[in-house]
Amino acid sequence: DAEITQSPRHKITETGRQVTLACHQTWNHNNMFWYRQDLGHGLRLIHYSYGVQDTNKGEVSDGYSVSRSNTEDLPLTLESAASSQTSVYFCASTPTGRYNEQFFGPGTRLTVL
Amino acid sequence: AQKITQTQPGMFVQEKEAVTLDCTYDTSDQSYGLFWYKQPSSGEMIFLIYQGSYDEQNATEGRYSLNFQKARKSANLVISASQLGDSAMYFCAMREGNTGNQFYFGTGTSLTVIP
Repeated sequence: DAEITQSPRHKITETGRQVTLACHQTWNHNNMFWYRQDLGHGLRLIHYSYGVQDTNKGEVSDGYSVSRSNTEDLPLTLESAASSQTSVYFCASTPTGRYNEQFFGPGTRLTVL
Repeated sequence: AQKITQTQPGMFVQEKEAVTLDCTYDTSDQSYGLFWYKQPSSGEMIFLIYQGSYDEQNATEGRYSLNFQKARKSANLVISASQLGDSAMYFCAMREGNTGNQFYFGTGTSLTVIP
């Protein structure tokens, strides 16, 4: 079955380290998104991509970057992790032209000490 | 201004009763979509129901229905015949525009179903 996966599911890191969270989908969706979920804020958009080589900043993009070298993957990089980036991160995708659906990955819980 | 507002941080409902979770939205776009997601304690986001801004009928999916009042900019979720498994966080979300690039989420409502 087609799916969207995230790895790792849990990660503990130290302040200042670079961290990359992986997102992989097998639906061949062009649109992919990264969100962070924090208590009291719901989900907030970090970055999104419409397709290969396309990336765009979302509401809370500072301190994060993404790259899209193929359709299936949108890795999220924290260049220098900060304690404020402790959160649960969700990757999501939508098929082009069908915006009544958005599928989420299982989430990655990141703790920055 | 908040794009999506959910004013009920927590709700309780008796098993087998119906419950309404409130959601109001703010947009100047003519074309938009409204979503409800369920997040159980296990953490995954589960899609429940969708309503397009041009849809004239309220969306329904099994025990879930969306009470769409366009003039009031509200998109309340109604769960009928609540079950213990309905206990979870519920998020309202909006997709703005025709490109599908911007999704906005509310802060969520925690629903507890009491036996």
